[in-house]
Amino acid sequence: GESVGLHLPTLSVQEGDNSIINCAYSNSASDYFIWYKQESGKGPQFIIDIRSNMDKRQGQRVTVLLNKTVKHLSLQIAATQPGDSAVYFCAENGHSGGSNYKLTFGKGTLLTVNP
Amino acid sequence: SQTIHQWPATLVQPVGSPLSLECTVEGTSNPNLYWYRQAAGRGLQLLFYSVGIGQISSEVPQNLSASRPQDRQFILSSKKLLLSDSGFYLCAWSVSPDGAFEQYFGPGTRLTVT
Repeated sequence: GESVGLHLPTLSVQEGDNSIINCAYSNSASDYFIWYKQESGKGPQFIIDIRSNMDKRQGQRVTVLLNKTVKHLSLQIAATQPGDSAVYFCAENGHSGGSNYKLTFGKGTLLTVNP
Repeated sequence: SQTIHQWPATLVQPVGSPLSLECTVEGTSNPNLYWYRQAAGRGLQLLFYSVGIGQISSEVPQNLSASRPQDRQFILSSKKLLLSDSGFYLCAWSVSPDGAFEQYFGPGTRLTVT
């Protein structure tokens, strides 16, 4: 079935390094993708989004890359800081079941930043 | 600016007891509203969504129900809780006219069924 998944469930990096979190999706009809950050005990926080007519989008210290050919999404965090430690989820807005109101979330990647 | 509230923040309930979790959104009109459940260390499972007052779509058959009595109020209920209902319950909203673009999440309710 349609799904969004992650290559790595955990990622540990040194403070100051760049982080790359990957996500694979299987629904070729997906036209919108989002990255969320979830700190322990809190709700997910919107980070950045990208539409399928784009390959790259940049925010503050974050970049999202979309490769539609291989159905792959990545989140790059520059100069990773301890405050970036969290679980990161990708989500897609595939037109599954005829509804355009839902997001399908991946399982999440735990990012740990070591000082 | 828009804000979303959920209460209570934490709840411990015995098996078989009723449940009522409330979510309200401020600063927007006619939002799409969502209830998710997140098990410990897991992803988000969509339970219900609503595109308007009285309009509820259920994603997973279970002993939970949802209601939307007002435009910016979304309630999650159960008549009899099960142990498997334990988890972190998240409410979210979106206002994109075409549907599920970015969703914004509330702080969540941690439910423990004992």
